[in-house]
Amino acid sequence: KNEVEQSPQNLTAQEGEFITINCSYSVGISALHWLQQHPGGGIVSLFMLSSGKKKHGRLIATINIQEKHSSLHITASHPRDSAVYICAVSKGAAGNKLTFGGGTRVLVKP
Amino acid sequence: DVKVTQSSRYLVKRTGEKVFLECVQDMDHENMFWYRQDPGLGLRLIYFSYDVKMKEKGDIPEGYSVSREKKERFSLILESASTNQTSMYLCASSIRPGTETPGYTFGSGTRLTVV
Repeated sequence: KNEVEQSPQNLTAQEGEFITINCSYSVGISALHWLQQHPGGGIVSLFMLSSGKKKHGRLIATINIQEKHSSLHITASHPRDSAVYICAVSKGAAGNKLTFGGGTRVLVKP
Repeated sequence: DVKVTQSSRYLVKRTGEKVFLECVQDMDHENMFWYRQDPGLGLRLIYFSYDVKMKEKGDIPEGYSVSREKKERFSLILESASTNQTSMYLCASSIRPGTETPGYTFGSGTRLTVV
């Protein structure tokens, strides 16, 4: 079983809809990261969370440490939000390396 | 704007060649990483470094080596390229754990094809 599981694997939404992506992990972590990758593009770090909730524009990330669960929400989705969203955890060991979920491919239709 | 720069966006190399992928960061980050990304397998860690001249194997180090002679530069070396090393290679850097500033910065990737 993977240490980091994401759901759904694929998601299609209409422009303006509210989108939620879920991430569950099974190990102790120092932080959880949400990353975004557009087709053919590099990876951008959206959030790093160790507790609570963070908001940036239309994106909201939450984490529940007790439940070992995080969600990424996209409000008022737009076609430019179409991308792969990746959840990753760091365990705080030397080097701060990441363990990745499998990603969620999001398509927002106009 | 802070960034991680990978020297090539696309590379085509022949089987058996020695290949160097270069990565430079301008953020004074301690940690640097090389990942490869393959369809269906996601991102996998090849090597990382948490200080100059220090290196640690990741999950899939076989067939690769690395060099970190200066803090800002982390090189990935394919000693003898093989077709199963055709992949997207991503470099990243991060500050040490325990801070609240943005954790990770990724380069734009190098798509390597070995023929």
